[in-house]
Amino acid sequence: AQKVTQAQTEISVVEKEDVTLDCVYETRDTTYYLFWYKQPPSGELVFLIRRNSFDEQNEISGRYSWNFQKSTSSFNFTITASQVVDSAVYFCALSEARNTDKLIFGTGTRLQVFP
Amino acid sequence: DTAVSQTPKYLVTQMGNDKSIKCEQNLGHDTMYWYKQDSKKFLKIMFSYNNKELIINETVPNRFSPKSPDKAHLNLHINSLELGDSAVYFCASSQDGGLLYGYTFGSGTRLTVV
Repeated sequence: AQKVTQAQTEISVVEKEDVTLDCVYETRDTTYYLFWYKQPPSGELVFLIRRNSFDEQNEISGRYSWNFQKSTSSFNFTITASQVVDSAVYFCALSEARNTDKLIFGTGTRLQVFP
Repeated sequence: DTAVSQTPKYLVTQMGNDKSIKCEQNLGHDTMYWYKQDSKKFLKIMFSYNNKELIINETVPNRFSPKSPDKAHLNLHINSLELGDSAVYFCASSQDGGLLYGYTFGSGTRLTVV
């Protein structure tokens, strides 16, 4: 069965600290896709990244980086030098090649960045 | 110019009423979705439509009926509202199952049933 686990329900950091949000997934498909979304206090869902199962290269985008490890079924998200504007709920999600129209979300991690 | 727009943003209604939420996307995407986010922030797919055809129906009570008059619109009609229907409902769209650019979500409709 497909499942996404975000064990950290809430994380609090002080500005400029680095923070890593964990994501562990389960799937029987050999081809799948992983996503991260940000939900700021205003409520909208903002797409951050998509990763294919056959591409294990890590990605960096500004202060954001993602570490995909198939061996541990993890797709972790690191924010470097966090800022107050990073405060949000972050969701990891999975879709499988046999049904890419179904996005399975984790329960989210609430990140609070204090000044 | 909003990519995925939902109306209304807030909806407060009494139990037993029927209500609709409208969704429109101007991205030219082929697939549209409805997701429900409960009070614990858990997001779950309800329906997806591809070019006006129902693709996914995730064991949602039949009080919920999606309607897609064209591929740019996917409305959600809810009959006989119950307290447990209170949630935030998100409309979304994608091209190619979101594999290139992810799914684009609307800003959500907060439904409160009293």
